[in-house]
Amino acid sequence: GQQLNQSPQSMFIQEGEDVSMNCTSSSIFNTWLWYKQDPGEGPVLLIALYKAGELTSNGRLTAQFGITRKDSFLNISASIPSDVGIYFCAGSYYGGSQGNLIFGKGTKLSVKP
Amino acid sequence: AAGVIQSPRHLIKEKRETATLKCYPIPRHDTVYWYQQGPGQDPQFLISFYEKMQSDKGSIPDRFSAQQFSDYHSELNMSSLELGDSALYFCASSAGTEQFFGPGTRLTVL
Repeated sequence: GQQLNQSPQSMFIQEGEDVSMNCTSSSIFNTWLWYKQDPGEGPVLLIALYKAGELTSNGRLTAQFGITRKDSFLNISASIPSDVGIYFCAGSYYGGSQGNLIFGKGTKLSVKP
Repeated sequence: AAGVIQSPRHLIKEKRETATLKCYPIPRHDTVYWYQQGPGQDPQFLISFYEKMQSDKGSIPDRFSAQQFSDYHSELNMSSLELGDSALYFCASSAGTEQFFGPGTRLTVL
């Protein structure tokens, strides 16, 4: 089956630092989504990307849909303690009724105040 | 804004028992997805429904079944529960390409 390689697996950073994580796939996607999950809670959608090359920002978060449609990255600028959590990339091939998501393994972010 | 509602939030069952998980999507969302997330794992797609019809199927065991009702809520029925079924079960709803997840049901099988 399709696999997403997400890296790094974990990050320990100082408050105020910038963070970068990425996902690569052996297959193309037509949608990339980035989620944040706190322990025991549901994933929360951060950013959605729909077009190859698209660069989208949401506050301190910036994400890009790779030109090859096989990769995406997420940057967090000026990290704060509440950024702590697990970040998942997810890709899908179709929208609407057949858009089940394939998830990366997650990046666990720890922020030292 | 209204979010996806899941019930119950926690469920404890014995092996070989049955369980029913419920999902109430965001109003006007026509598609529901079910995912299973084991400890320390990423969510795995189980099954989805669009306009009350099954639209896609993932790694859902034959012991599990699901349906979407006329009011668009969905139920995941799990029978002959096994220890390995212990996990977080998420429902997500969508009106297009973005999926919004509920808070999950934590199922523990003893």
